Amino acid sequence: AQKVTQAQTEISVVEKEDVTLDCVYETRDTTYYLFWYKQPPSGELVFLIRRNSFDEQNEISGRYSWNFQKSTSSFNFTITASQVVDSAVYFCALSEAGQNFVFGPGTRLSVLP
Amino acid sequence: DSGVTQTPKHLITATGQRVTLRCSPRSGDLSVYWYQQSLDQGLQFLIQYYNGEERAKGNILERFSAQQFPDLHSELNLSSLELGDSALYFCASSAHGTVPTGELFFGEGSRLTVL
Repeated sequence: AQKVTQAQTEISVVEKEDVTLDCVYETRDTTYYLFWYKQPPSGELVFLIRRNSFDEQNEISGRYSWNFQKSTSSFNFTITASQVVDSAVYFCALSEAGQNFVFGPGTRLSVLP
Repeated sequence: DSGVTQTPKHLITATGQRVTLRCSPRSGDLSVYWYQQSLDQGLQFLIQYYNGEERAKGNILERFSAQQFPDLHSELNLSSLELGDSALYFCASSAHGTVPTGELFFGEGSRLTVL
């Protein structure tokens, strides 16, 4: 069965600090997809990134970067120079062939001014 | 704006009642997913429809049912409501049928409060 673990329930940082959100997944499939979503206080879920299991290249998008390591089944998310607007709950998710999305429990990030 | 529309945004009702939540997917998306987000359960997958047919079922209670209509909008029906059904119900859509290799686009959610 597929599973997503986000061990950090809550993280607080001060603005401009870097922060890494951890995501560890379990799957028996060789083909799978990993995602990160952001849920700001307003409540909507915003897609951030998708990675497939064959693409281990790390990705950078502005202040956001993702580190995908199959060897440790991790797909960590780093925010550089955090801002107050980054305050949100961040969800990691996994989908396998023929299965639906499974979301992790989420990490609540608070960025303090 | 994700392009997914959910109504109503907020709903307050009493135990034992029945409510219907509505979702219009993004233009062109054939798949609709329903998720429940409660404080203690996180995001739980309920059910998926693809082009009018049920495609996958998650932890959906027997008191709940859903359908997808020919115009691709979907409705989630919740009956015999209990206090524990209070949650944020999300609808999401994607272009893909079986494996959601692409991202899911979420609506803003319908917040249900059962008193």
